[in-house]
Amino acid sequence: EAGVAQSPRYKIIEKRQSVAFWCNPISGHATLYWYQQILGQGPKLLIQFQNNGVVDDSQLPKDRFSAERLKGVDSTLKIQPAKLEDSAVYLCASSLETSVLRGTQYFGPGTRLTVL
Amino acid sequence: GNSVTQMEGPVTLSEEAFLTINCTYTATGYPSLFWYVQYPGEGLQLLLKATKADDKGSNKGFEATYRKETTSFHLEKGSVQVSDSAVYFCALTVSGGSYIPTFGRGTSLIVHP
Repeated sequence: EAGVAQSPRYKIIEKRQSVAFWCNPISGHATLYWYQQILGQGPKLLIQFQNNGVVDDSQLPKDRFSAERLKGVDSTLKIQPAKLEDSAVYLCASSLETSVLRGTQYFGPGTRLTVL
Repeated sequence: GNSVTQMEGPVTLSEEAFLTINCTYTATGYPSLFWYVQYPGEGLQLLLKATKADDKGSNKGFEATYRKETTSFHLEKGSVQVSDSAVYFCALTVSGGSYIPTFGRGTSLIVHP
């Protein structure tokens, strides 16, 4: 079974530029998560999708961050414009959420963003 | 709200020593509890989980027991190896229409030969 795919793996941009990250979850996983992991901290949930609907985006800075999952499969996270404090690893995860595997998430390798 | 508190790291041990990493939680509702591990340069991987009180999750020699009375889910291993050096994250999800995940800050483990 293929895992969660993310691209690019690394990205360096200057502040005020735009950037987009792509995620393809495990086949059949209805729920998709985007996290921001700042160095030395735990992952912070940015947005959670159930199929193509948003379940929770309370911690997404909506003035500059946006995300979509148009066909309920892959997803894109965008930052426009980027700030220095956006430097972090952006993790995508997916889960099946049956009663047995309740809440178990499978993570992609992440995209390391550096904003100069 | 929901929160997870882990012991501060780094935890530094010699090979074959006993490991405990403490994790306590607060949750509105009945959580499922998880330990994830992040090896250097890699993404997070599920290590073990427990979905109800008194359940014991185990994997690769690691164990953790869901203690509802003390709201804890401490990670233990009887004999650590150098290859266990990583960052360990305690996490919970609570069902409330969806499984909203909350992670701790992570505890770095360094094992010396």
